[in-house]
Amino acid sequence: GAVVSQHPSRVICKSGTSVKIECRSLDFQATTMFWYRQFPKQSLMLMATSNEGSKATYEQGVEKDKFLINHASLTLSTLTVTSAHPEDSSFYICSASSDRGTQYFGPGTRLTVL
Amino acid sequence: AQSVSQHNHHVILSEAASLELGCNYSYGGTVNLFWYVQYPGQHLQLLLKYFSGDPLVKGIKGFEAEFIKSKFSFNLRKPSVQWSDTAEYFCAVIPSNTGTASKLTFGTGTRLQVTL
Repeated sequence: GAVVSQHPSRVICKSGTSVKIECRSLDFQATTMFWYRQFPKQSLMLMATSNEGSKATYEQGVEKDKFLINHASLTLSTLTVTSAHPEDSSFYICSASSDRGTQYFGPGTRLTVL
Repeated sequence: AQSVSQHNHHVILSEAASLELGCNYSYGGTVNLFWYVQYPGQHLQLLLKYFSGDPLVKGIKGFEAEFIKSKFSFNLRKPSVQWSDTAEYFCAVIPSNTGTASKLTFGTGTRLQVTL
């Protein structure tokens, strides 16, 4: 139980284009999902909290117009990196929140912007 | 705001050695505590969690952790490590009086390397 999937697992795009990453909770409903970035050999950096049916809450320093988050249903949240640049290349991870704040993590999406 | 410290950044052990990874947190109230593991090339997986009750919790793959409230600690232990335990281990906390929208606070992680 408590499986979270992400799609795609890997994406390469040209600078200036937009990329959408999907996060799904497969066997449970999640009113809250989270989006993280992970840099090599470092811990996760929280980008934003995605709430079903309402606007996402962004962490300080994260551009909300660049990283668009939509939480359309209790099992799906999407992160769109708009006008991507090479510095946006990273490993993006989502999680879905369950009982008492337990988070279950997706496998991550490796984004490379050329 | 809460914070989490993992003092061991890199631990190297031989197979069959015992493991203890330290985790200390700072928060004025009660917390829920978690240990996550990230195997090479894989995503974060929940090892174990503590909400309340017996302070000694058992998780998957033979891991256990003990919550010591007076020390604000939640150390992870395993009596005998295997080569397959080589991974990055993260401790995390969340205030226990908040709901599912609350953010986890992670430690910086401990890289465990088990040698044959």
